[in-house]
Amino acid sequence: KQEVTQIPAALSVPEGENLVLNCSFTDSAIYNLQWFRQDPGKGLTSLLLIQSSQREQTSGRLNASLDKSSGRSTLYIAASQPGDSATYLCAVYNNAGNMLTFGGGTRLMVKP
Amino acid sequence: EADIYQTPRYLVIGTGKKITLECSQTMGHDKMYWYQQDPGMELHLIHYSYGVNSTEKGDLSSESTVSRIRTEHFPLTLESARPSHTSQYLCASDQGAWGSPLHFGNGTRLTVT
Repeated sequence: KQEVTQIPAALSVPEGENLVLNCSFTDSAIYNLQWFRQDPGKGLTSLLLIQSSQREQTSGRLNASLDKSSGRSTLYIAASQPGDSATYLCAVYNNAGNMLTFGGGTRLMVKP
Repeated sequence: EADIYQTPRYLVIGTGKKITLECSQTMGHDKMYWYQQDPGMELHLIHYSYGVNSTEKGDLSSESTVSRIRTEHFPLTLESARPSHTSQYLCASDQGAWGSPLHFGNGTRLTVT
C-alpha cells in the first residue's frame, strides 16, 4: 500500500527566504505526483502536476522536482511571502492512474 | 473562482438527523470524489464515481452513501448523523483521464452534536 510522508510537518520562516518542502513515497510505481495548497478551512488548490516521466515543473516562484526511483519530490518556493502561508500537500497517483494517495501536509507560516 | 461547488459551507446538526451534502461541478468532469478530513489531519477517500450510475467505496470505510444520477451532481448522504461523523467533507472532480489534475470544492464542515 502506498504511503506518502511529508517533512517537516510545520515550518515557520521570515519573509523573503527560499524554502524547500519534502515529500517521500514508498512505492515508486507512480503515474504522476501533484502538489496542492490548502488555506485554513478551505478546499485544495492544485499547484503543480509532474508526470512520472518528468523531472520538474515550474510555475512562477514554485518549482517541483521528482526523483521517482528514490521516491522523493521537493517543492521549492523562492522569495517567500506572507501570502504563501498555507498547508502544502503532495499526492501521488498509482500506476493505474485511478487512486490518489495524499501526504499529511506541511503547514507553512511566512512571517512579515 | 470555483468550478466545483459544495453546500452547505457549514452545518451543525443533532444526532440522528438525516443529512445530504451537495456537490456540483460545471466542468463536465466524469470522475468525482468525496474526501474526509479531520482538522490538521490527512485526507481520506471515502467515495468516488467514474460517471453516471457509477459509485465506488474509497479506502476509508464510511457510513455515508452517494449517488450519481447526473454528471454534474454527486451528493453524499448520512442517514443518521452521529458525533463521530463530525469532520470536513471535501468534494473533488477530474476529467477521468489517467492522472489528470484534481479540482476541489471549498468543503463542508459538519458538526454533529
